[in-house]
Amino acid sequence: SQQGEEDPQALSIQEGENATMNCSYKTSINNLQWYRQNSGRGLVHLILIRSNEREKHSGRLRVTLDTSKKSSSLLITASRAADTASYFCATDLNDYKLSFGAGTTVTVRA
Amino acid sequence: SAVISQKPSRDICQRGTSLTIQCQVDSQVTMMFWYRQQPGQSLTLIATANQGSEATYESGFVIDKFPISRPNLTFSTLTVSNMSPEDSSIYLCSVEDRGYNEQFFGPGTRLTVL
Repeated sequence: SQQGEEDPQALSIQEGENATMNCSYKTSINNLQWYRQNSGRGLVHLILIRSNEREKHSGRLRVTLDTSKKSSSLLITASRAADTASYFCATDLNDYKLSFGAGTTVTVRA
Repeated sequence: SAVISQKPSRDICQRGTSLTIQCQVDSQVTMMFWYRQQPGQSLTLIATANQGSEATYESGFVIDKFPISRPNLTFSTLTVSNMSPEDSSIYLCSVEDRGYNEQFFGPGTRLTVL
């Protein structure tokens, strides 16, 4: 069963704006990973954040993790048309099996 | 990160037939998994492909329907047996690479069952 829930389900922004999406989960985790999927293709790994970390950065991406609230957020700064995709969070309960959220569909308008 | 390829990339099959999907990794990996993504949905774990032993299936998935082979540390196959239109999905393999817990996915196999 899916542990994660993502919010919002869909997001439409103007190029250059920031996009923020949230992921909530139910049980304690070992780590949480964010992925991007373009048009039903394979998943691209974006960032892994461990349960003892609070924030990580990778280029224009910033991920936060609040284990007390069982939630994570992904921020994409200065969005580009190429950022149009679905974004998924996935939690690892320490057995390498990932449980995925429902995903957020991001559309970046030119 | 590991480079993962899948064959075929897509296929259209008739109900009642079976399709075998191959997953090849360019390096030896310990952990390999198979996921399903139904149309418009998120990913669901089917099973863990264990090298040299039977796969470990998640609730709702059985070996008769989704037999899996893992003959070595770089290759695995997933067979979708006796297909019905409900099996139309994207099937993805993934690997946990280098012991850092990061999990990487193949490009997926888009299956349509008529």
